[in-house]
Amino acid sequence: ETGVTQTPRHLVMGMTNKKSLKCEQHLGHNAMYWYKQSAKKPLELMFVYNFKEQTENNSVPSRFSPECPNSSHLFLHLHTLQPEDSALYLCASSQTTNRLEQYFGPGTRLTVT
Amino acid sequence: ILNVEQSPQSLHVQEGDSTNFTCSFPSSNFYALHWYRWETAKSPEALFVMTLNGDEKKKGRISATLNTKEGYSYLYIKGSQPEDSATYLCAFTLNYGGSQGNLIFGKGTKLSVKP
Repeated sequence: ETGVTQTPRHLVMGMTNKKSLKCEQHLGHNAMYWYKQSAKKPLELMFVYNFKEQTENNSVPSRFSPECPNSSHLFLHLHTLQPEDSALYLCASSQTTNRLEQYFGPGTRLTVT
Repeated sequence: ILNVEQSPQSLHVQEGDSTNFTCSFPSSNFYALHWYRWETAKSPEALFVMTLNGDEKKKGRISATLNTKEGYSYLYIKGSQPEDSATYLCAFTLNYGGSQGNLIFGKGTKLSVKP
């Protein structure tokens, strides 16, 4: 596989469930990102990791918990979500946080019931 | 609050028409302007990154211009084809002491090209 992959592509979960989103990049990059796109809103940055260290948390509620075990993998652990958390969650990577181009995955469409 | 405005929100054109979209962004502390093409159910794909006032970039039938002094960029598509149907996203980044800030996105322009 090439580029940035995300699994699952679709996820339906109840408010009491715990689930995880996975992102993997095959580009040799060192920076990875989580973005959220809610209906009729622009893409919003959630978290930034650079060389496995979290460098930015954009005031994201603690029910979203990111994990970056190595530079190729990024997870977003979800627990006790709310229906308003239903959105498209996109992962991206770049060489480092100061390189211009970010490469995106196709996203996970999350529905919280 | 930093906003990126894109217009129009959506656009329907006939195959062969040429079209253009606008992206407006804050002109102070500018670092870079990005254009992405996003087809439904696929990954956003980078089209252009521009950093200098007056930059013009071209990829096939698609081109873009940048005016950092007045804070706008235009994306042009010449002779639209059905495969150009997608949402076109604009994003800008701030200059933090010579380093790039995070991408700040607009809501996008959704283009539909009818055969």
